[in-house]
Amino acid sequence: GNSVTQMEGPVTLSEEAFLTINCTYTATGYPSLFWYVQYPGEGLQLLLKATKADDKGSNKGFEATYRKETTSFHLEKGSVQVSDSAVYFCALLSGAGSYQLTFGKGTKLSVIP
Amino acid sequence: GAGVSQSPRYKVTKRGQDVALRCDPISGHVSLYWYRQALGQGPEFLTYFNYEAQQDKSGLPNDRFSAERPEGSISTLTIQRTEQRDSAMYRCASSSGTGVTEAFFGQGTRLTVV
Repeated sequence: GNSVTQMEGPVTLSEEAFLTINCTYTATGYPSLFWYVQYPGEGLQLLLKATKADDKGSNKGFEATYRKETTSFHLEKGSVQVSDSAVYFCALLSGAGSYQLTFGKGTKLSVIP
Repeated sequence: GAGVSQSPRYKVTKRGQDVALRCDPISGHVSLYWYRQALGQGPEFLTYFNYEAQQDKSGLPNDRFSAERPEGSISTLTIQRTEQRDSAMYRCASSSGTGVTEAFFGQGTRLTVV
């Protein structure tokens, strides 16, 4: 079956630090990969996505590259801000026509001034 | 509406009571999804609607759980005879097509069974 494993939190960083949140997956076929973010008091929002191997998704300074050889989709940002404090979820969608997202457990990020 | 709206935001109920959770999707969105998220876990799929048709209910944990979307818009997730293990965040999402990649999530309903 499909599964997503992401690094456990919480992660606490100082403002302007470099961020990496690791995500690896197990899936049949050729999944699409996503990062969702949940800011305090809000719903899940799609942050970025990649639909095939070697694609790079990017948004709001965050990036993640779909690495089929290592089955990974690590989230990175060069300089975090306090406003990036949130819970980040890695997820996959397995195959065309699929509608069931499989999520990781989430990683809570706190950025301190 | 502007986004997916779920109500109530918080629900505390006594064990054995029935609860109904409501989801009002973005206007015109044909697809609607329910997920459940236990504390410290990621969301897990419950069920999927295309218009009013429930296309997949494979994620519903047992027959105490049911969902409907009678007019292809608002959906209700009902849990009968609630148990403490049902305590979780229940999330609804909608999308304009069957492509869940563009799904928009609501803020969720936090259910606590005491």
